[in-house]
Amino acid sequence: QKEVEQDPGPLSVPEGAIVSLNCTYSNSAFQYFMWYRQYSRKGPELLMYTYSSGNKEDGRFTAQVDKSSKYISLFIRDSQPSDSATYLCAMSEYGATNKLIFGTGTLLAVQP
Amino acid sequence: ETGVTQSPTHLIKTRGQQVTLRCSSQSGHNTVSWYQQALGQGPQFIFQYYREEENGRGNFPPRFSGLQFPNYSSELNVNALELDDSALYLCASSWGGDLTGELFFGEGSRLTVL
Repeated sequence: QKEVEQDPGPLSVPEGAIVSLNCTYSNSAFQYFMWYRQYSRKGPELLMYTYSSGNKEDGRFTAQVDKSSKYISLFIRDSQPSDSATYLCAMSEYGATNKLIFGTGTLLAVQP
Repeated sequence: ETGVTQSPTHLIKTRGQQVTLRCSSQSGHNTVSWYQQALGQGPQFIFQYYREEENGRGNFPPRFSGLQFPNYSSELNVNALELDDSALYLCASSWGGDLTGELFFGEGSRLTVL
């Protein structure tokens, strides 16, 4: 069993839809939870960071962490074609910048 | 402000050869991490260097080695290349004193081993 599980998709939605992306994990020591976005032929870029449990909102993006269920989510409201990318969850027990364990990534396509 | 730059962008090697990949950190960053991303997979942590010392290593064999230089640039060396080493190698820089900081990734070096 992988430490971090993520549905690889692909996920195709119409423009304006609400998108829900999820990851589950097995290591209860994880304290730092991140979502990265990776466009084709580019490196990942940080979207959202959450420490421990709770919700965090940034514009159209909301990240949720439920440590009791070992489950994290990213919601994208009013999705745009420019949101089409691979979304990677990542987590660590050592900090937001060290020894990150990534999910496999979910490929999202937002259709105009 | 200059971002993370990696070279070469693409390279092809044969099994058994050695390869060196290079990375220049973002200005002001003193920590470099290397990740391997196989096709269709998420990045896997190889190791991190902080102030020229290895500061953590993932589950990679010793033939994967690294260096960080006084200007915080870095090299990843892979000896005795295997077919499974074919992947995108990502370098990321950060400020080591901030546990809640951000990793800034380069665009990667795509290695193909034949």
